[in-house]
Amino acid sequence: DAGITQSPRHKVTETGTPVTLRCHQTENHRYMYWYRQDPGHGLRLIHYSYGVKDTDKGEVSDGYSVSRSKTEDFLLTLESATSSQTSVYFCAISEFAGGPTGELFFGEGSRLTVL
Amino acid sequence: LAKTTQPISMDSYEGQEVNITCSHNNIATNDYITWYQQFPSQGPRFIIQGYKTKVTNEVASLFIPADRKSSTLSLPRVSLSDTAVYYCLVGDAGPSNDYKLSFGAGTTVTVRA
Repeated sequence: DAGITQSPRHKVTETGTPVTLRCHQTENHRYMYWYRQDPGHGLRLIHYSYGVKDTDKGEVSDGYSVSRSKTEDFLLTLESATSSQTSVYFCAISEFAGGPTGELFFGEGSRLTVL
Repeated sequence: LAKTTQPISMDSYEGQEVNITCSHNNIATNDYITWYQQFPSQGPRFIIQGYKTKVTNEVASLFIPADRKSSTLSLPRVSLSDTAVYYCLVGDAGPSNDYKLSFGAGTTVTVRA
């Protein structure tokens, strides 16, 4: 299995508080992604990174920010959590961009509940 | 990003073959077609990928017609453990060498005894 660790795995917080989820990889892969998964919506891309300090928005980026100061860590921050951000968050990594070598490897997910 | 359309759910019985068709009418020349499988409480995992014709591995087969506007994932002789959500993705690196994929809702396959 790919070396991907998400932390925390479970978190309960209150509306308006800041939350940071961490994704740590030991594979030295260039690309990292944050997805959220909600019933009926599958996985939706929040933000992704194609290198250190290189990030871009996905389809549901409002209310989220990311940072990648080193290859192995990709942080997802909710500046002021809302109940609509209650979800399961998955981090993924890939070594290459697409094609036959662009396989995504996923972490085990972080379940966030915003009360 | 190329948009994909696949059935929301499919039911099957153990030992049967399951075929899931995905439509991707606006697939680009450089796009590959990739399928992922997700079990409850786990992240998705790669099953198979192809560009054209047929690809087979130990888990599944992927059939892609010449026009590449659709693809069919075939799971032979399914078992209860094949109950999962299956996602069809189409994409490749963008002009800035970025690479982003969204999975959509996927197809929930339920295998019954």
